[in-house]
Amino acid sequence: TAGITQAPTSQILAAGRSMTLRCTQDMRHNAMYWYRQDLGLGLRLIHYSNTAGTTGKGEVPDGYSVSRANTDDFPLTLASAVPSQTSVYFCASRPLAGEADTQYFGPGTRLTVL
Amino acid sequence: GQNIDQPTEMTATEGAIVQINCTYQTSGFNGLFWYQQHAGEAPTFLSYNVLDGLEEKGRFSSFLSRSKGYSYLLLKELQMKDSASYLCAVLDSNYQLIWGAGTKLIIKP
Repeated sequence: TAGITQAPTSQILAAGRSMTLRCTQDMRHNAMYWYRQDLGLGLRLIHYSNTAGTTGKGEVPDGYSVSRANTDDFPLTLASAVPSQTSVYFCASRPLAGEADTQYFGPGTRLTVL
Repeated sequence: GQNIDQPTEMTATEGAIVQINCTYQTSGFNGLFWYQQHAGEAPTFLSYNVLDGLEEKGRFSSFLSRSKGYSYLLLKELQMKDSASYLCAVLDSNYQLIWGAGTKLIIKP
């Protein structure tokens, strides 16, 4: 079982360009999450989706958008990248949103915005 | 506001025992998680506590005191492969995880 996959593994992006980070899970989990992880800071939630067709804003949503057209995919889009969006991005999922299940993480995407 | 505190870095010796503390103040509480994260990798689940007391799982144990807003992760018989960051996270009233910044554990031979 693949679990959660993310693409690309890493990317260097010019400021002002747009980019979509892909996330796919094959566990049929309802809830999915996008986090960014920066040195010295905890994981910060960008956007989440409790179930297909719904999305919500996390702690740091500005500059990012998401969609959840089906259960498996949860892409994150940067419309116009800025250097402060340089970070490691993790996608995560768990079976149900309102339960105390553990979250499972993808391998991450390392993004550098120049 | 919501806040989770844990030490930035700790050093321990191979074969020894180390305790990593975590204190929290959150809006609601539906349990506390510990994750392990090796450099350049994704976090992986270690433990979950929702009731007060100690949960033991092999060399790793996790303790929770809800009244004190306090947890610790205890690692016994340390091995070099335990060198990693350990992340404390609280599940708040909305079932969202609030994360600490992580404790980098350095194991020396």
